[in-house]
Amino acid sequence: GNSVTQMEGPVTLSEEAFLTINCTYTATGYPSLFWYVQYPGEGLQLLLKATKADDKGSNKGFEATYRKETTSFHLEKGSVQVSDSAVYFCALGGPIQGAQKLVFGQGTRLTINP
Amino acid sequence: SAVISQKPSRDICQRGTSLTIQCQVDSQVTMMFWYRQQPGQSLTLIATANQGSEATYESGFVIDKFPISRPNLTFSTLTVSNMSPEDSSIYLCSVRRDRASTEAFFGQGTRLTVV
Repeated sequence: GNSVTQMEGPVTLSEEAFLTINCTYTATGYPSLFWYVQYPGEGLQLLLKATKADDKGSNKGFEATYRKETTSFHLEKGSVQVSDSAVYFCALGGPIQGAQKLVFGQGTRLTINP
Repeated sequence: SAVISQKPSRDICQRGTSLTIQCQVDSQVTMMFWYRQQPGQSLTLIATANQGSEATYESGFVIDKFPISRPNLTFSTLTVSNMSPEDSSIYLCSVRRDRASTEAFFGQGTRLTVV
């Protein structure tokens, strides 16, 4: 079945550091890929998405590229801020109009120190 | 996007009792889902709430324990029945506007503690 493996946390960085959170997946067919963020005490918010191979999703300075050859969707940001402290989830969904549910990775807790 | 309101936002319940969580969406959506997030863990899909028919449960989840209602396209409830401490989790409602949409939106969650 479909699965998502995320880099284990927690991750602690200093402000303005470069961030990478690794995500790899196993899936049949052509899934869509997502990064969600969960700020303390809040629900999940969609951060970015990519629906086909080589697509790059981007939002708020974060980027991730859908790499079918390496089955990866790593999250990157060039210069993190204290406000980026949150839990980040990589998720896999069916192709458009395909399977509807999301499969989540285990989440990576990110803490940014000033 | 869709605005999703969940009630209650948190609760502390006695073991053996039941709690019903409500999910209200500000617009009609085709797909509604209920997820569980156990402490320090990822999200696991409980079931898909189907309008006008029985919910579709994932492996390991049963209707007697997690009855779900979905009377219309904007509202659903999840009941956690006969609770035990192992049911302490965050329960999240999620929606997709229609089958063509790839984006899922989430409510803020209901933090349940069973004592």
